Amino acid sequence: EPEVTQTPSHQVTQMGQEVILRCVPISNHLYFYWYRQILGQKVEFLVSFYNNEISEKSEIFDDQFSVERPDGSNFTLKIRSTKLEDSAMYFCASSDTGTGEDEQYFGPGTRLTVT
Amino acid sequence: GESVGLHLPTLSVQEGDNSIINCAYSNSASDYFIWYKQESGKGPQFIIDIRSNMDKRQGQRVTVLLNKTVKHLSLQIAATQPGDSAVYFCAEKVPVAGNMLTFGGGTRLMVKP
Repeated sequence: EPEVTQTPSHQVTQMGQEVILRCVPISNHLYFYWYRQILGQKVEFLVSFYNNEISEKSEIFDDQFSVERPDGSNFTLKIRSTKLEDSAMYFCASSDTGTGEDEQYFGPGTRLTVT
Repeated sequence: GESVGLHLPTLSVQEGDNSIINCAYSNSASDYFIWYKQESGKGPQFIIDIRSNMDKRQGQRVTVLLNKTVKHLSLQIAATQPGDSAVYFCAEKVPVAGNMLTFGGGTRLMVKP
């Protein structure tokens, strides 16, 4: 069964450093998403991406965040200057083969620890 | 603001019993709802979904019920097994907000052998 994959599984970085979290969505999906989950809290939407541009973003997704689909398979989330409060699990998800399915499939997540 | 919330943070059931996990939502414009299961250290796993034009939908051992009158969503798991132990989240989607999902706070299901 196709699945969303994410790398790395755990990233440790110092405050102020840039990090790039990588995702490979399901190959025939058209919509891509990033969510985050601070430890013990609910999953929060960050951004959705369709047709090579951002379609929605939340208040969390400020100028420090960016997303990119550098090739036909990868989808990345960049945090330019990490803060302590960016420590969380970051989940990538993808959906819709073009027929309007809403179901979003999630990857296993990248645990980001900012020290 | 409007949000999705859960009534019970932890639910403990005996193996073999049926489980019911509840979710209250407040955005009457939501038209699509999903239940996700999250095991420790893993991402949310799709269980079952339902659209607002339906009241009930059944899957394998799971049933989702939607009561739009009181804005309530429930997940029923039949013959609960130890492998069902996880945190369960409901999520909703509002048409005008595109494809973003708004998640509830989660309920931990613990299955006792």
